[in-house]
Amino acid sequence: GQQVMQIPQYQHVQEGEDFTTYCNSSTTLSNIQWYKQRPGGHPVFLIQLVKSGEVKKQKRLTFQFGEAKKNSSLHITATQTTDVGTYFCAGWGSNDYKLSFGAGTTVTVRA
Amino acid sequence: GAVVSQHPSRVICKSGTSVKIECRSLDFQATTMFWYRQFPKQSLMLMATSNEGSKATYEQGVEKDKFLINHASLTLSTLTVTSAHPEDSSFYICSARHAVSYEQYFGPGTRLTVT
Repeated sequence: GQQVMQIPQYQHVQEGEDFTTYCNSSTTLSNIQWYKQRPGGHPVFLIQLVKSGEVKKQKRLTFQFGEAKKNSSLHITATQTTDVGTYFCAGWGSNDYKLSFGAGTTVTVRA
Repeated sequence: GAVVSQHPSRVICKSGTSVKIECRSLDFQATTMFWYRQFPKQSLMLMATSNEGSKATYEQGVEKDKFLINHASLTLSTLTVTSAHPEDSSFYICSARHAVSYEQYFGPGTRLTVT
């Protein structure tokens, strides 16, 4: 199956700054889903991207799916303390319907 | 919408006993549910895929006789950890895939501690 790699593993951000987390797959993905997991909590679905080059926004979060459907990014502007948590990307391969998860980017925010 | 419940949220059991965890999609139908295990500060490890009305598909290295999965209806899947041992202590999370959108939603997880 495909391998999904996510960088960086840790992101320490000053409140108010922007940051981006990146997701790369070894193979073409059918779709990609992003999740946020707060400490002690469970993954919460954020968004699904399906189309090549797709860009979706949710308030301060911008999600992008690469043209080749092998990479994705999540960009957060004006980081707030509520953005603390681990962000996971997960994708389906072309031949299976199981999500392969990246290792996650754990975000901490300095007030 | 798209709520998945999981019960119990926490369970402590003695070594050698069995524990059943329920996963329900509350407001949508899920032909496929997934069971994951998550160790502290790590990503989710898929254990098995549960399809309604058929046998579960287990990932490599996961013992099907130890982790029994039943997907009795379009809204309910259960995971039974049989003859639990301390090394089975972990955070178990189920996920249900929406039958139409294919978006995948997670339950709140079950923290299992085997003493």
